[in-house]
Amino acid sequence: GAVVSQHPSWVICKSGTSVKIECRSLDFQATTMFWYRQFPKQSLMLMATSNEGSKATYEQGVEKDKFLINHASLTLSTLTVTSAHPEDSSFYICSALDPPGPYEQYFGPGTRLTVT
Amino acid sequence: AQTVTQSQPEMSVQEAETVTLSCTYDTSENNYYLFWYKQPPSRQMILVIRQEAYKQQNATENRFSVNFQKAAKSFSLKISDSQLGDTAMYFCVRGASYDKVIFGPGTSLSVIP
Repeated sequence: GAVVSQHPSWVICKSGTSVKIECRSLDFQATTMFWYRQFPKQSLMLMATSNEGSKATYEQGVEKDKFLINHASLTLSTLTVTSAHPEDSSFYICSALDPPGPYEQYFGPGTRLTVT
Repeated sequence: AQTVTQSQPEMSVQEAETVTLSCTYDTSENNYYLFWYKQPPSRQMILVIRQEAYKQQNATENRFSVNFQKAAKSFSLKISDSQLGDTAMYFCVRGASYDKVIFGPGTSLSVIP
């Protein structure tokens, strides 16, 4: 089946620094990837939709300048949290569509970000 | 706004028993898909079962089956012969076209030995 990886799985950074999270589709080409944020015991909150070769589409309330998304190739999308603050600490999950599948998303294992 | 509702925030079931998780959704589209995903403590999202809206037959996957009521916009998940490994958060998800999907708030299921 389709496999999506994320790196790193866990990262700690200091307040004010930037951190990059990578999302890769390992055995298929993903024209569309999604980035989610999940707080403990809550559902996934969609942050943005990433399309290869074009600008990401951000959900309302998500700061574009803080959460930079780049989908430079058909197998890689990156999320950069810029000038991180403790409130950015969360679990970030990416997913990818594997067309022409039935809109099923394949999820990465997630990245736990802690900002100190 | 199009939504997915899961009315049971938490549920528990004895091992080997059967449990049903409820889900209702809202959509204006005719062609869409519904999914149940589980998220165990590892937090890896795992697809449990998928239902195409144009199919009348309810989907089944081993111990997992759904009751899809299109007119009522209802999509419940039945887990038979519950196992300890079924302990997880379960999310009902609605997808349509090559677009974002809508997640329900989740149901935390605990399987009790």
